[in-house]
Amino acid sequence: DTAVSQTPKYLVTQMGNDKSIKCEQNLGHDTMYWYKQDSKKFLKIMFSYNNKELIINETVPNRFSPKSPDKAHLNLHINSLELGDSAVYFCASSQHLAASISTYEQYFGPGTRLTVT
Amino acid sequence: LAKTTQPISMDSYEGQEVNITCSHNNIATNDYITWYQQFPSQGPRFIIQGYKTKVTNEVASLFIPADRKSSTLSLPRVSLSDTAVYYCLVGDQAGTALIFGKGTTLSVSS
Repeated sequence: DTAVSQTPKYLVTQMGNDKSIKCEQNLGHDTMYWYKQDSKKFLKIMFSYNNKELIINETVPNRFSPKSPDKAHLNLHINSLELGDSAVYFCASSQHLAASISTYEQYFGPGTRLTVT
Repeated sequence: LAKTTQPISMDSYEGQEVNITCSHNNIATNDYITWYQQFPSQGPRFIIQGYKTKVTNEVASLFIPADRKSSTLSLPRVSLSDTAVYYCLVGDQAGTALIFGKGTTLSVSS
């Protein structure tokens, strides 16, 4: 059983297009995250949702819009894709969002490699 | 923003103990320190977490000095399968952001 799954695994698209990445977790967790990992392996958080509510919204272009239809799903929609959006995007989940949110172990999905041409 | 500093890479041989140190000078009072492991084409995986002193589990130990401005991940008797990128994670002072270190690429040779 896959704990955190993402679709698609690979996404190749042209500049200016709009695309979505889906994430689902079957762990019963309350909190879900989106991370971006660039070519230098630097992993940075983009968004976090707790019980379908946006908790963390880092400095990310507003072309990126997360949507959480329920606790088990957190999708990422990207408008007007740019070359610099090429990266691997990871979804993750954790049991709770603590006061110090590094407290809870995060479970990561396999990643979605986005290539913008 | 909290910032972590790790060595970019380390090399080791099978059977040796490997220690990877992470500096986090601006760690907040209530922040924990967490280490993750990442293999190619996979998402990061939790290894160990601690707040102070020493924590040990079945795969690693984590040493945290009293000032908590650094931490050391210790992998005993590494094997080839321990070749991966290791990330140090702390929350920032606002307590609202998760910042991974740039990671340490550990290469284990036979």
